[in-house]
Amino acid sequence: NAGVTQTPKFQVLKTGQSMTLQCAQDMNHNSMYWYRQDPGMGLRLIYYSASEGTTDKGEVPNGYNVSRLNKREFSLRLESAAPSQTSVYFCASSFGSQETQYFGPGTRLLVL
Amino acid sequence: AQSVSQHNHHVILSEAASLELGCNYSYGGTVNLFWYVQYPGQHLQLLLKYFSGDPLVKGIKGFEAEFIKSKFSFNLRKPSVQWSDTAEYFCAVLPGGATNKLIFGTGTLLAVQP
Repeated sequence: NAGVTQTPKFQVLKTGQSMTLQCAQDMNHNSMYWYRQDPGMGLRLIYYSASEGTTDKGEVPNGYNVSRLNKREFSLRLESAAPSQTSVYFCASSFGSQETQYFGPGTRLLVL
Repeated sequence: AQSVSQHNHHVILSEAASLELGCNYSYGGTVNLFWYVQYPGQHLQLLLKYFSGDPLVKGIKGFEAEFIKSKFSFNLRKPSVQWSDTAEYFCAVLPGGATNKLIFGTGTLLAVQP
């Protein structure tokens, strides 16, 4: 039981490049989330998927897109990376909308 | 807008000192409350949570938190800290209803000196 896994662990991009962050959970959770963590700002919700087949914007969705591929997997795509997207990205999952969220190990992204 | 305030950004304590980290939120309805901990280089882990019932909740590693509804607060406490408690602590609030939107505070960085 791996919990929430994320790939890659670390990535360096040049401005304008695109990439997809992958997230998978093996806890049979219905809801999945993408957050970014920046110094002094805590975690901010980018997008979430309340259930398979649905996605919704969070607090900071601009510049990102998501895909809920199936119940297990939820990917985050940066179409044209910008230096302001340098951050640590965490994926999380929960059984329901009011349940505890469990976090993955994070992806550290540097955009030059 | 709903928000979570953690008033202490940095706390430095000596081992065996007592700890209290403040957390206040702005939301008038039912809430679920959480404290998460992030050890250096690691991901967030759940420390404790409050959904309902006894407002004094106990978590892992000797931590506890008290929900005071009238003060919109959920302060984290530990009677005697250890060097291994050095970490960043995040308070988070999940407003009631169908929302999935967990709102985090900005975090408190705790450094425990041996």
